[in-house]
Amino acid sequence: DPKIIQKPKYLVAVTGSEKILICEQYLGHNAMYWYRQSAKKPLEFMFSYSYQKLMDNQTASSRFQPQSSKKNHLDLQITALKPDDSATYFCASSQDGGGDSDYTFGSGTRLLVI
Amino acid sequence: GDSVTQKEGLVTLTEGLPVMLNCTYQTIYSNAFLFWYVHYLNESPRLLLKSSTDNKRTEHQGFHATLHKSSSSFHLQKSSAQLSDSALYYCALRNSNNRIFFGDGTQLVVKP
Repeated sequence: DPKIIQKPKYLVAVTGSEKILICEQYLGHNAMYWYRQSAKKPLEFMFSYSYQKLMDNQTASSRFQPQSSKKNHLDLQITALKPDDSATYFCASSQDGGGDSDYTFGSGTRLLVI
Repeated sequence: GDSVTQKEGLVTLTEGLPVMLNCTYQTIYSNAFLFWYVHYLNESPRLLLKSSTDNKRTEHQGFHATLHKSSSSFHLQKSSAQLSDSALYYCALRNSNNRIFFGDGTQLVVKP
């Protein structure tokens, strides 16, 4: 069974619309993250949350808003979608003790904005 | 600031030859933690190796790496490449903000 569930797996959206990417983890971790991978680009950090609080934010645009309704949820709301937002969005989690605790990634949501 | 450099964007090898993917890093954090993640097409990135101990070899699934703090390096090696090793490999660093920061990745292509 997948330990991190991302929904939907594929998503096509119209320019200017709004979408929510879902992420739930069942690893008992207290920290969750969002990364983005655009075509031919590396994994790009977006947000990190620990105990449902925003810890780090590298996304310049306010169109990207994480939402954490529960400890094991970290959804990503994207408003006013643009074609450049097309990418695979990965959710990850870890036990936030620092040190060598590593991330477990979900399978990603592939977003295409047309 | 913190950074990870993977100078090879693409490495192409013939099956059976040794693999070496370079990784160097820069950080103000005195206790650096380094990671290698492997990302197969249409799958999730997953952890391959990690280390924080200077000059200690870490091994997993035939791959190995040694963290050398004196040269700020954490190169990934394997003695003999297999076709199934073809993937994107990320070197990563846990920075002082407790976030894992990924390098640009090295695409490894192993040919018969």
